[in-house]
Amino acid sequence: QVQLQESGPGLVKPSETLSLTCTVSGDSLSGFFWSWIRQPPGKGLEWIAYIYYSGGANYNPSLKSRVTISVDTSKNQFSLNLRSVTAADTAVYYCARDWGGTTVLDSWGQGILVTVSS
Amino acid sequence: DIVMTQTPLSLAVTPGQPASISCKSSQSLLHSDGKTHLYWYLEKPGQSPQLLLYGVSNRFSGVPERFSGSGAGTDFTLKISRVEAEDVGVYYCMHAIDVRAFGQGTKVEIK
Repeated sequence: QVQLQESGPGLVKPSETLSLTCTVSGDSLSGFFWSWIRQPPGKGLEWIAYIYYSGGANYNPSLKSRVTISVDTSKNQFSLNLRSVTAADTAVYYCARDWGGTTVLDSWGQGILVTVSS
Repeated sequence: DIVMTQTPLSLAVTPGQPASISCKSSQSLLHSDGKTHLYWYLEKPGQSPQLLLYGVSNRFSGVPERFSGSGAGTDFTLKISRVEAEDVGVYYCMHAIDVRAFGQGTKVEIK
């Protein structure tokens, strides 16, 4: 069974870059899209971006100018960079397995809280 | 951009009674691949969201039969035939036409 684990700093300063990595175990990245989703405290879910295992990506239009998603199949990882962060980017960030032909977001990591504060 | 709108935003249900959540999209979710890309998720308290239904009405592995989905085009419904205590949480619909977008969420609690 596939498992996902987010990692990265829990505190980022305003205007800096938030960088997170999702490590996938129990299966390879091959054949699937992989997504990042976030949830600000007390609010709903917001999809950020997905990437195909071979590198094609798509982004939430509202975040596209600040986000880069990347994949490293040799490490079975994919990553998120969010630039020029503000307090509004404070959220729990989830990584999840996206589309593989049938289901979407069928496996999620436990989430990591990232706080933007000086 | 396709906007997803859920109603109601909160719901209190007596155990054993049915519950229904509506989800409307601003555009049809019927894709050129012939599939309707509407999904339902449940975020239980203190847990990561979990997939309940995919392609409008297909239950994901392990999801109880009391959960069902219906709809087409832009109007969709999630129904719980008999609510149990373990069903509390926030339910989200989501489209996956190219990008993804969630509805606002519907909080379900037990009376």
